[in-house]
Amino acid sequence: DADVTQTPRNRITKTGKRIMLECSQTKGHDRMYWYRQDPGLGLRLIYYSFDVKDINKGEISDGYSVSRQAQAKFSLSLESAIPNQTALYFCATSDVGQGTVLRQFFGPGTRLTVL
Amino acid sequence: GQSLEQPSEVTAVEGAIVQINCTYQTSGFYGLSWYQQHDGGAPTFLSYNALDGLEETGRFSSFLSRSDSYGYLLLQELQMKDSASYFCAVPGSARQLTFGSGTQLTVLP
Repeated sequence: DADVTQTPRNRITKTGKRIMLECSQTKGHDRMYWYRQDPGLGLRLIYYSFDVKDINKGEISDGYSVSRQAQAKFSLSLESAIPNQTALYFCATSDVGQGTVLRQFFGPGTRLTVL
Repeated sequence: GQSLEQPSEVTAVEGAIVQINCTYQTSGFYGLSWYQQHDGGAPTFLSYNALDGLEETGRFSSFLSRSDSYGYLLLQELQMKDSASYFCAVPGSARQLTFGSGTQLTVLP
């Protein structure tokens, strides 16, 4: 079984709809991250969480919210989806310790299309 | 903030050696990471450097010069499966990574 899983893997939705992307991990890591990737670009950080009570905005948090339901689960919500949120979304985890933020483990991604 | 620059594309032939450069600007330095991503796939961690010098992992090596704010990824004995995008990344703090825009490596037969 994969260490970091994401559901759904693909989603097509309409403008204005609320969407939730889910991430689960079995690596036992405390730190979890949500990124988006647009074609030909690098990954941009949306939110990150260092434990259930420690949630922080990243570079591009506007229009998104998150929920850390447990150590193993971190969900990303688009409250009212818009077309420019069409992108590939990745969840990632990392361990605790010096330098561990440099080594992240990614889920398979969710391809989201907003019409 | 942080910024990284890397070439957008690199092409090489099978069996060759290729170097992908990365220059960065960051307010505090915690290390430089490299990730590989095949088309449609997830990024996969390759290596990181916290100190100056060369780190070797099989066919891949990564180099860092903190005084020059520069690093590179060296891929030896290129194989077709090495065709992918390669990203350098630096932490802006000890808590989050900023990624470069990626270098698309094409390996030709």
